[in-house]
Amino acid sequence: GQQLNQSPQSMFIQEGEDVSMNCTSSSIFNTWLWYKQDPGEGPVLLIALYKAGELTSNGRLTAQFGITRKDSFLNISASIPSDVGIYFCARFGNEKLTFGTGTRLTIIP
Amino acid sequence: NAGVTQTPKFRVLKTGQSMTLLCAQDMNHEYMYWYRQDPGMGLRLIHYSVGEGTTAKGEVPDGYNVSRLKKQNFLLGLESAAPSQTSVYFCASSTFISQALNYGYTFGSGTRLTVV
Repeated sequence: GQQLNQSPQSMFIQEGEDVSMNCTSSSIFNTWLWYKQDPGEGPVLLIALYKAGELTSNGRLTAQFGITRKDSFLNISASIPSDVGIYFCARFGNEKLTFGTGTRLTIIP
Repeated sequence: NAGVTQTPKFRVLKTGQSMTLLCAQDMNHEYMYWYRQDPGMGLRLIHYSVGEGTTAKGEVPDGYNVSRLKKQNFLLGLESAAPSQTSVYFCASSTFISQALNYGYTFGSGTRLTVV
């Protein structure tokens, strides 16, 4: 199946730091989605991107659809404790979502 | 509205036992999905349904069966549980319109299954 590779696999940061993560694929996509999973909960949609080069923000979160259509980036500015969780990229095709491997974000007190 | 409700939340099975996981949604969604989540693997699709009475295989269907007899319910069955099926299982649902516009799936809070 389609493989979505996310990096880094995990991040340990201090509160207030900025965060960057990315997702890559060998295939071209028409959409990129970013989800967040809080501990003990299911994923929730953060941002959806629909065209190459698109830059979209949702509060302190900014995501970009790569020009090559094979990658996407998610940035979080001035991290706060509630940013802890797993971030997934995802693509939609054939009536279903395929998820990336996830980036686990931990904030060090 | 409860959204998507999964039962049970936790379960321990012995190898070879069977069980059924229940997913119920009260949003009149057409589409329903079962995913499993394993460390470092993300969420992988097991089976899905695009409407009452329909089911289809996802990425990792082996060892699982599903049924969608009622629009609001999607059941995931394990006929003979194996340790490799130890995982967290998530159910999700969506509408045709949300699929077309923003891919906004609604997820349940998960079922943690351990097979010993």
